[in-house]
Amino acid sequence: GENVEQHPSTLSVQEGDSAVIKCTYSDSASNYFPWYKQELGKRPQLIIDIRSNVGEKKDQRIAVTLNKTAKHFSLHITETQPEDSAVYFCATHPNSGYALNFGKGTSLLVTP
Amino acid sequence: EADIYQTPRYLVIGTGKKITLECSQTMGHDKMYWYQQDPGMELHLIHYSYGVNSTEKGDLSSESTVSRIRTEHFPLTLESARPSHTSQYLCASSELGANYGYTFGSGTRLTVV
Repeated sequence: GENVEQHPSTLSVQEGDSAVIKCTYSDSASNYFPWYKQELGKRPQLIIDIRSNVGEKKDQRIAVTLNKTAKHFSLHITETQPEDSAVYFCATHPNSGYALNFGKGTSLLVTP
Repeated sequence: EADIYQTPRYLVIGTGKKITLECSQTMGHDKMYWYQQDPGMELHLIHYSYGVNSTEKGDLSSESTVSRIRTEHFPLTLESARPSHTSQYLCASSELGANYGYTFGSGTRLTVV
C-alpha cells in the first residue's frame, strides 16, 4: 500500500499555542485526506477531511492544508486547549485503493 | 441513533480458545473494516469487505477470519487465540467510494492469557 509518513510522533505545546502535524504520501493518485483524533481509551473520530480539488479547509480552530505537488498535507490547530490532547492520525485514500492508509500517529499533549 | 457497535468491550480468554468479536452498524454502509491497534499506536488493517459475501485480507498477517452474510454485520473470529493476539480490535465502516471517512466502533480490548 501507499507509504504515509507522519511527523512528529510526539508534540507538546502550551495551552494557547498552535500545533502543526504534517504528513507526506507517495501515491500522486491519492484524492482524499482525512484526519482522525483518538482520545485516550476512545475510538478514532473524524475531525476534518480534504479532497484533492481543494487546497485548504478550515473548521473553527482546526484547518488542513494540502500541497498536491509536493505530496504533503498538514493539520493546524490554533489556540490549543487541554482537551485537544490526543493521538492524531492522518490518512490517504489512493484513487485505486481499497482502504485508507493511515500514518503512525502523533501524540499531542497540551499543557495548561 | 445510527452508529457502529462492538461487543464485547473487554475480553480475557485462555490460550487456544475460539472467539468471535462482534461488529454491527446501523448506518447502511457498504464497506466494513477490522483494524488491530496496540494502545496509542498505529492502526493495522487486517480485513475488509465491500459488501455482502465480499471479504478480503488486509496488510497485517492474521490468523483471524471474517464473514459478511448481512450488510450490517461483520464478525471477526479467532480459531485459536494466542498471547500474541492480545490487542485492541477496532471495527469501522464507510460508504462505498473513495472519498468517505470511516466511522469507528469503540473497540474490543482482547487479552489472551
